[in-house]
Amino acid sequence: AQSVTQLGSHVSVSEGALVLLRCNYSSSVPPYLFWYVQYPNQGLQLLLKYTTGATLVKGINGFEAEFKKSETSFHLTKPSAHMSDAAEYFCAVSEVAGTYKYIFGTGTRLKVLA
Amino acid sequence: NAGVTQTPKFQVLKTGQSMTLQCAQDMNHNSMYWYRQDPGMGLRLIYYSASEGTTDKGEVPNGYNVSRLNKREFSLRLESAAPSQTSVYFCASSAIGTGDGNTIYFGEGSWLTVV
Repeated sequence: AQSVTQLGSHVSVSEGALVLLRCNYSSSVPPYLFWYVQYPNQGLQLLLKYTTGATLVKGINGFEAEFKKSETSFHLTKPSAHMSDAAEYFCAVSEVAGTYKYIFGTGTRLKVLA
Repeated sequence: NAGVTQTPKFQVLKTGQSMTLQCAQDMNHNSMYWYRQDPGMGLRLIYYSASEGTTDKGEVPNGYNVSRLNKREFSLRLESAAPSQTSVYFCASSAIGTGDGNTIYFGEGSWLTVV
């Protein structure tokens, strides 16, 4: 069965510091992996996704994530945090072969300190 | 580019009242979903519709019904609202089996309070 674990429900970083949000998954088949961002009182917006090919994926707003099959991880990073990055971030997994199931992590709330 | 549109944005209901959340997507997606989001629990699937004419239960279907009215529209009905249904509801859609890589797109959410 698929599952997604996001380590740390709350993460605080200083403005300008590295952002690292952790996501580990389990899947019986090669997965599609996603990161979504949710700003207050808004829906979830796609940040980036991994389907096939290059394991380092670049997304919007300077974020990137690397698919590491051996570690079953898909951690989200950004070299320099900005105040506007404060939001909740969700990792999600979907099986490749056309399933309708998406498994979401419980989210990590990122706080950026001035 | 409207994407996924859901209404209403905010609603307060009394226990026992009924209401319908409406959702429409303009991306010609075959699959549509209703999720609820509660603090510390992430997103939980209520119902989904893999294609027009089909609906299936998700993880937490009790107390809800859905209708896939056509390819664009997928509504969620609370027949007799309970305080446990106080939540944020998200409609979503995706195009399974296309080059979009199973990406799921979300509406802006509907904040429902049952008192």
